[in-house]
Amino acid sequence: DAGITQSPRHKVTETGTPVTLRCHQTENHRYMYWYRQDPGHGLRLIHYSYGVKDTDKGEVSDGYSVSRSKTEDFLLTLESATSSQTSVYFCAISEPGQLNTEAFFGQGTRLTVV
Amino acid sequence: GQQLNQSPQSMFIQEGEDVSMNCTSSSIFNTWLWYKQEPGEGPVLLIALYKAGELTSNGRLTAQFGITRKDSFLNISASIPSDVGIYFCAGQGVWNNDMRFGAGTRLTVKP
Repeated sequence: DAGITQSPRHKVTETGTPVTLRCHQTENHRYMYWYRQDPGHGLRLIHYSYGVKDTDKGEVSDGYSVSRSKTEDFLLTLESATSSQTSVYFCAISEPGQLNTEAFFGQGTRLTVV
Repeated sequence: GQQLNQSPQSMFIQEGEDVSMNCTSSSIFNTWLWYKQEPGEGPVLLIALYKAGELTSNGRLTAQFGITRKDSFLNISASIPSDVGIYFCAGQGVWNNDMRFGAGTRLTVKP
């Protein structure tokens, strides 16, 4: 299994509070991604990073920010959590090359905003 | 943006039957990937496709990268109960490396 650790695995938080999810990798992969998974929508890309301090928005980035100060860590922050951000969040990593660009996933973080 | 349309949404089949699912897009992709997700877990890669027209097998699984680079299919032959799960297609675009996913196909296999 690829060395990807998400923390926390479960979190319940109140509306309006800030929340930070952490993704840690031991594979030294350049790309890291944050997705959210909701019934009927599959996995939707929130933000991704293609290097330290290099990030870009995905398709559902509103209400989220990210930071990547080290290769191994990619943080997802909800500045002021809303109930619509209740979801399962997955981190993924990849090392794009000429022959392979597979992404490997963490086990997910279940976030409930009450 | 890059939208992937995956079908069918769900399938209920008898053990031993073959399964086929597909993904289409309005955009061209450089890479097509197929993942399987089981409850409480992250998606796990099944097959990766890198060239238009490429046909790749992994045991009972076969996937193809469409010649137009806008579609892909996954076939599972002789299904077994452990094939149950949600199958996702994913595509990686030409101009960037963000990876987009289809909405998934939920497969149920009846013994």
